[in-house]
Amino acid sequence: LAKTTQPISMDSYEGQEVNITCSHNNIATNDYITWYQQFPSQGPRFIIQGYKTKVTNEVASLFIPADRKSSTLSLPRVSLSDTAVYYCLVGAGGTSYGKLTFGQGTILTVHP
Amino acid sequence: NAGVTQTPKFRVLKTGQSMTLLCAQDMNHEYMYWYRQDPGMGLRLIHYSVGEGTTAKGEVPDGYNVSRLKKQNFLLGLESAAPSQTSVYFCASSYRLAGVGEQFFGPGTRLTVL
Repeated sequence: LAKTTQPISMDSYEGQEVNITCSHNNIATNDYITWYQQFPSQGPRFIIQGYKTKVTNEVASLFIPADRKSSTLSLPRVSLSDTAVYYCLVGAGGTSYGKLTFGQGTILTVHP
Repeated sequence: NAGVTQTPKFRVLKTGQSMTLLCAQDMNHEYMYWYRQDPGMGLRLIHYSVGEGTTAKGEVPDGYNVSRLKKQNFLLGLESAAPSQTSVYFCASSYRLAGVGEQFFGPGTRLTVL
């Protein structure tokens, strides 16, 4: 399984850009990288997914370097409502069914 | 659409008791998953299913059984509950295999085993 490592917690202020990095040194060739957001007493919610280089959607960007051993979730101009736990998931879409590894999560706290 | 629903939301069991957690999805997804979430451990995959009538083991399957008799339902069973199974259980479903597709999660079931 591709082990993932994230910072346990991060603090930011409203309006700032936040970058959360996930390390996955033994990522496999066919593994994708997915980020989820989780609020207290709720299930995780999909944010963004990528395989290599950069992916951007309406809420976040995902940067993946060429060696794919890490990835960075970028949240532009955070607000108080972005306070949540963010999980990095590395998993395969091919024959490695069931090999899904969530990181321990990063607690992001956004201050006024 | 209700998305993914889980029953019950809370449950307290005594050691040795059995129970079944029900997950239902109305998105016609082929893939379904059961995770457990413990403090400081993130989410760990227990079992998953790639289609009706099929199930497979995930990372932490011991002490659990699953069944997928209907496409929309995925059941997680504990035959003889142990305190180590105290956790929050999440069900998820996806159109594509989770590694390459978005998973939709249910609200969770908080289980306490005394």
